Amino acid sequence: GAVVSQHPSWVICKSGTSVKIECRSLDFQATTMFWYRQFPKQSLMLMATSNEGSKATYEQGVEKDKFLINHASLTLSTLTVTSAHPEDSSFYICSARAPSSLSSYNEQFFGPGTRLTVL
Amino acid sequence: LAKTTQPISMDSYEGQEVNITCSHNNIATNDYITWYQQFPSQGPRFIIQGYKTKVTNEVASLFIPADRKSSTLSLPRVSLSDTAVYYCLVVPYTGTASKLTFGTGTRLQVTL
Repeated sequence: GAVVSQHPSWVICKSGTSVKIECRSLDFQATTMFWYRQFPKQSLMLMATSNEGSKATYEQGVEKDKFLINHASLTLSTLTVTSAHPEDSSFYICSARAPSSLSSYNEQFFGPGTRLTVL
Repeated sequence: LAKTTQPISMDSYEGQEVNITCSHNNIATNDYITWYQQFPSQGPRFIIQGYKTKVTNEVASLFIPADRKSSTLSLPRVSLSDTAVYYCLVVPYTGTASKLTFGTGTRLQVTL
């Protein structure tokens, strides 16, 4: 099946610094990837849709200048949390839709997630 | 996007069959019903998807009545490793990737 990886799996940073999280589709190309955020004991919240070669589409209430998304290739999307603060501490998860040859209709494959802790 | 409602939590003993029901009263004609499973500190994993009637795979069965306003995920003979959060989603049929809206999910706890 299709595999989506994320790097790093966890990161701890100081308040005010920027953190970059990578999302890769390992065995397929993904023109669209999605970024989610999940707080403890809560559901996943969609942050933005990452489109290869164009600007990301952000959900209402998500600051595009704070959460920079770059989808420079068909297998890589990056999320940069700029000037991170403790309230940005969360579990960040990406997903991509695999081609029909690898999956059921519109099945999305999720990365393992990245745990961000801002001190 | 159609909103879904499912129980917040369920408990089961190992070896039992577990049925998790999801309501989606506003489901559209072109929506598919999809279930994902999520273990702690991991990304969700696709379990099963269906449009109507019954779908079965090696992991679960999905029952969808004729009006499609609800669906039931059935997990046969659960084990401790099935302890997870299960999300019911309705996903529109489109030619491109659709963004997913996750509800609260059902936290299933399996014990001995």
